[in-house]
Amino acid sequence: GAVVSQHPSRVICKSGTSVKIECRSLDFQATTMFWYRQFPKQSLMLMATSNEGSKATYEQGVEKDKFLINHASLTLSTLTVTSAHPEDSSFYICSALTSGGTYNEQFFGPGTRLTVL
Amino acid sequence: GNSVTQMEGPVTLSEEAFLTINCTYTATGYPSLFWYVQYPGEGLQLLLKATKADDKGSNKGFEATYRKETTSFHLEKGSVQVSDSAVYFCALIDSGAGSYQLTFGKGTKLSVIP
Repeated sequence: GAVVSQHPSRVICKSGTSVKIECRSLDFQATTMFWYRQFPKQSLMLMATSNEGSKATYEQGVEKDKFLINHASLTLSTLTVTSAHPEDSSFYICSALTSGGTYNEQFFGPGTRLTVL
Repeated sequence: GNSVTQMEGPVTLSEEAFLTINCTYTATGYPSLFWYVQYPGEGLQLLLKATKADDKGSNKGFEATYRKETTSFHLEKGSVQVSDSAVYFCALIDSGAGSYQLTFGKGTKLSVIP
């Protein structure tokens, strides 16, 4: 099946620094990728939809200036958490949407655990 | 709007017990339905899916049937193993609404004890 990778898998940073998370579709092209945030013992919250070559679409309540998304190629989307604070600590998961035919499916990355001290 | 409701856990079962995790949905269009599994510390993996009414998705001994009349997609397994311990998410995509966003249930944590 399709494979999506995320890098890094874990990151610990100091408050006020910025952190970049990469999401790559390894064996398919994805014009659309999604970024989710998952709090402990909770479901996934969609943060934004990342579209190759255009601006991301953010969900209500998600600060676009804090969570910068860039989808520069058909296989790479990045999420940058700017001026991170402890409340940004979370598990961030991306997914990539396959396309074509009559069916579309999202494949998920393994997630990135962000801890802000 | 779209929503997914699944039984709240945690669910604790003994090995070889029968598993059912209920899932019902509401959708504005004709959704595709999914079950995802998340093992501790990992991302989500697609477990099974069904794209139209009466379809049965199956994988690794798990099954779920798309029931349009009851708007349900219950997950079942006849004999669980310790390795099935994970969080299970029911989800839908309502592509008829012009979007491919997944709507997730809140997840059900399953613990299987030897």
